[in-house]
Amino acid sequence: DAGVIQSPRHEVTEMGQEVTLRCKPISGHDYLFWYRQTMMRGLELLIYFNNNVPIDDSGMPEDRFSAKMPNASFSTLKIQPSEPRDSAVYFCASSLQPADYGYTFGSGTRLTVV
Amino acid sequence: GENVEQHPSTLSVQEGDSAVIKCTYSDSASNYFPWYKQELGKRPQLIIDIRSNVGEKKDQRIAVTLNKTAKHFSLHITETQPEDSAVYFCAASAINTGGFKTIFGAGTRLFVKA
Repeated sequence: DAGVIQSPRHEVTEMGQEVTLRCKPISGHDYLFWYRQTMMRGLELLIYFNNNVPIDDSGMPEDRFSAKMPNASFSTLKIQPSEPRDSAVYFCASSLQPADYGYTFGSGTRLTVV
Repeated sequence: GENVEQHPSTLSVQEGDSAVIKCTYSDSASNYFPWYKQELGKRPQLIIDIRSNVGEKKDQRIAVTLNKTAKHFSLHITETQPEDSAVYFCAASAINTGGFKTIFGAGTRLFVKA
């Protein structure tokens, strides 16, 4: 298996633009997580899905953020409009059963909003 | 809210010495405790985990201990090597009526000096 695949690896965009981050989980993993990592706040859970259904989106900062999982092999995290404070590394992770097996993280997307 | 405290935030050891990282959690429902290693610019990777029905687990130079009564768990690395230099995150996971929750510690930056 190629692991969790994220794209793009790096994204530089101007404030106010729309940004879309993409993730392909490991086949067979029923759980998908979106995390944001910054030096100040560490790893923050934004949202997670179970069997393509959003379960907990309490970590989504505000209405500018949205996430979808249209099928078992694809998820997107969208920021519209983007702001400089959104600059961070965004990780997608998947798991067969997070209470037993932990997460497999993707390589992350480093987002810079200027 | 629930949290996980991790200490120390930075740890510097000489190659060959042991390193110990400690975490304390607050949610008594937590029953799964993974540890992740994140090298500079890379993804967090699961290195070892322990479940609540086990007090200790070892994998080569890495061991984890759990004290459920005191709500703390620790990572022990023996015979440290320069390639052990990274940020280590502990986490505590619980399943509740709302679903599943994992809380990460803030991380420990380990430096192993050759």
